[in-house]
Amino acid sequence: DQQVKQNSPSLSVQEGRISILNCDYTNSMFDYFLWYKKYPAEGPTFLISISSIKDKNEDGRFTVFLNKSAKHLSLHIVPSQPGDSAVYFCAASAKGYQKVTFGTGTKLQVIP
Amino acid sequence: NAGVTQTPKFQVLKTGQSMTLQCAQDMNHNSMYWYRQDPGMGLRLIYYSASEGTTDKGEVPNGYNVSRLNKREFSLRLESAAPSQTSVYFCASNRPGLASYEQFFGPGTRLTVL
Repeated sequence: DQQVKQNSPSLSVQEGRISILNCDYTNSMFDYFLWYKKYPAEGPTFLISISSIKDKNEDGRFTVFLNKSAKHLSLHIVPSQPGDSAVYFCAASAKGYQKVTFGTGTKLQVIP
Repeated sequence: NAGVTQTPKFQVLKTGQSMTLQCAQDMNHNSMYWYRQDPGMGLRLIYYSASEGTTDKGEVPNGYNVSRLNKREFSLRLESAAPSQTSVYFCASNRPGLASYEQFFGPGTRLTVL
């Protein structure tokens, strides 16, 4: 039972355009959501997070939107740069739990 | 600070062999985790340790054992390796807290079981 789903395995975007990566979740107990970025042969690194009390969090070129009623979140990257080419994992956690559930990842390719 | 370190980086085993993957963190984090990454499966939690002296099963614990040796070190042992355990293994750590779910990952161990 995949509680965190990233339905797009891959995405290609032109440099300078917006990249939108989507994530859906099924567990209504999740109240904290994170995005991680992973380059080949490296461990994932934290990118941005959002608490369920918010619907938007922005950090530079990266913005995460949360729609609790739809159990959906998205990561927007504007403008996209070739260095953003990586696999992006969505993750979710429930209050009081130490475990984080990851999605299957979306491979973003930013074309120069 | 080195962050989270993992050894070895690569390993090839034959079916039935055993090995231990080592992980250490120097960030004084309480919680540590072991994940495996497989194509199309994302990161799946094998075991975690919320604090020194405690360990708990994650999503895919079968075939693995762990030891939280001290606050810094968390090892993962394969007693009798199987081809299904061919994967990339990541260790991670974090300081638990309301807004501190961010995990810091090591560089990974690529394991092949023949």
